[in-house]
Amino acid sequence: AQSVTQLDSQVPVFEEAPVELRCNYSSSVSVYLFWYVQYPNQGLQLLLKYLSGSTLVKGINGFEAEFNKSQTSFHLRKPSVHISDTAEYFCAVSETGGFKTIFGAGTRLFVKA
Amino acid sequence: DGGITQSPKYLFRKEGQNVTLSCEQNLNHDAMYWYRQDPGQGLRLIYYSQIVNDFQKGDIAEGYSVSREKKESFPLTVTSAQKNPTAFYLCATLDRPGSNQPQHFGDGTRLSIL
Repeated sequence: AQSVTQLDSQVPVFEEAPVELRCNYSSSVSVYLFWYVQYPNQGLQLLLKYLSGSTLVKGINGFEAEFNKSQTSFHLRKPSVHISDTAEYFCAVSETGGFKTIFGAGTRLFVKA
Repeated sequence: DGGITQSPKYLFRKEGQNVTLSCEQNLNHDAMYWYRQDPGQGLRLIYYSQIVNDFQKGDIAEGYSVSREKKESFPLTVTSAQKNPTAFYLCATLDRPGSNQPQHFGDGTRLSIL
């Protein structure tokens, strides 16, 4: 069975500092990987996705993530955060050809001035 | 604009009452999903439907029911059997089952007990 672990429940960081949100997954088959962002009282918006090919994936708002198959990780990074990046971030995994997406518990990013 | 509309945005339930959450999409997507979100627990799958007139239970289906009579609509009923209904409910769609594309989400309905 698939599972997703987001290693930090909360990450406080100062504005303009770099940030990494960590995600590990487990699956016995090939997977697709996603990062979503959620602002208060809203749905989830896609930040980026890994389907195949290059392991470094670039997304919206300056975010990027790197797929590491040997470590089964898909960490999200941004070199310089803004106050507006304060939100909850979810890592998700789908098995190729599967019908479900499994979501991590979320990481709340606080960007401080 | 193509999208997913969830209504109402806020909903209150009285003891012993059934309430229905609406989810409508005009993306022409085949698959639709209902998730429950509680603080610190991520998203948990309640029900999903891959095609009209067919749906399957997710991980936490007890106390909930759904229907899929039209491609565009996938309403969720929270029954009186759901003893802890207070949560944020999210509806999502996927273009087709097994697709490599991400799910699209509505803006959610927040349900509280009166």
